[in-house]
Amino acid sequence: QKEVEQDPGPLSVPEGAIVSLNCTYSNSAFQYFMWYRQYSRKGPELLMYTYSSGNKEDGRFTAQVDKSSKYISLFIRDSQPSDSATYLCAMSLTGNQFYFGTGTSLTVIP
Amino acid sequence: DTAVSQTPKYLVTQMGNDKSIKCEQNLGHDTMYWYKQDSKKFLKIMFSYNNKELIINETVPNRFSPKSPDKAHLNLHINSLELGDSAVYFCASSQEQGTPEAFFGQGTRLTVV
Repeated sequence: QKEVEQDPGPLSVPEGAIVSLNCTYSNSAFQYFMWYRQYSRKGPELLMYTYSSGNKEDGRFTAQVDKSSKYISLFIRDSQPSDSATYLCAMSLTGNQFYFGTGTSLTVIP
Repeated sequence: DTAVSQTPKYLVTQMGNDKSIKCEQNLGHDTMYWYKQDSKKFLKIMFSYNNKELIINETVPNRFSPKSPDKAHLNLHINSLELGDSAVYFCASSQEQGTPEAFFGQGTRLTVV
């Protein structure tokens, strides 16, 4: 069983839709929860991270962590074509070693 | 002003060859990493260095040897390349150990034929 499971999609939504991306994990010791965005042929870039449980909001993006369910989510409001990318969740125990999900491919259609 | 730069961007080589990928970061970070991303986009850590010292060495064949001449550079040398080594290799850096924010390079797409 992989440490982190993520639905690969692909996910296709119309512009302006709310997008929900999710990951589940098996290691209850994870403390850091991250979301990366990866455009085609580029390296991943960090969108946001959360330490322990709770929500975090940054503009149109909201990250949620539910440690009791071992479930994290990323919500994108008012999705734009520029949001089209692969979204990778990642987790870490100490902030040193990251365990990544396989990524969800998102396309926002104008 | 590229923060984390890797060379080359593309590498096509024959089985059995030895090749190196170079990585440099100009962010003043203490920790650097090598990740491998397979064809299904799965990103897995290979090595982590902190101030030139090896911190993480995942289950990677001995044919892969990282070298850190200084804390701004982490190179990856691969001996006796195999078809299964074909992947995108990403270098990354973070400010210090325990900092979850990592900055990734653009990747090196290695194809072994």
